[in-house]
Amino acid sequence: QSALTQPPSASGSPGQSVTISCTGTRSDVGDYDYVSWYQQHPGKAPKLMIYEVSQRPSGVPDRFSGSKSGNTASLTVSGLQAEDAADYYCSSYTGSNNLVFGGGTKLTVL
Amino acid sequence: QVQLVEFGGGVVQPGESLRLSCAASGFSFSSYGMHWVRQAPGKGLEWVAFIRYDGNGNNKYYADSVKGRFTISRDNSKNTLYLQMNSLRPEDTAVYYCAKDPRSYITMVHVWGQGTLVTVSS
Repeated sequence: QSALTQPPSASGSPGQSVTISCTGTRSDVGDYDYVSWYQQHPGKAPKLMIYEVSQRPSGVPDRFSGSKSGNTASLTVSGLQAEDAADYYCSSYTGSNNLVFGGGTKLTVL
Repeated sequence: QVQLVEFGGGVVQPGESLRLSCAASGFSFSSYGMHWVRQAPGKGLEWVAFIRYDGNGNNKYYADSVKGRFTISRDNSKNTLYLQMNSLRPEDTAVYYCAKDPRSYITMVHVWGQGTLVTVSS
């Protein structure tokens, strides 16, 4: 199972919006709504930010939103804040009783 | 609240074995599927294995990279998840995370443990 494709880096200034893409195939992102996004700060465990494409767990700011079109999912962070600087990973169920992650995107707040 | 605590990481030589444990609390452990996910130093996340809520028979799934070498299991009476790792290779060096699925069958990773480091080196 190949990893989902994410840009290695993204950046934005405080207050701006940034969108991170996650491209898969018809066998994973394109066929299932079990797409999730995780935030990971250095030395810490990942944290769930978005699940089932666009759902936000309790406690996650509404500045974080998710969407999907075809084989590509997206995470948008609006009103960027310094604490949003982190690595972000997408994940999808594959239909073969596997999960697959993206390679990760390093978000820099300028 | 949900808590997952991993144990058992350490330094081993190539070809050796190691068993990781994960103690779960704060939820009905026997009702949920559980995952192991790993992260090599400086690299991204890699899904390793999943076990359904009851852990019976064929209800265990593995990444191709560990199939035949790693075995996931659980003891619902002890609220504990395990990962038996045999024939370890240097490329298995990683932080191993125990993680909870929000359902009894495989869908996604919902809650993560803090991770335990496994180093395979001669």
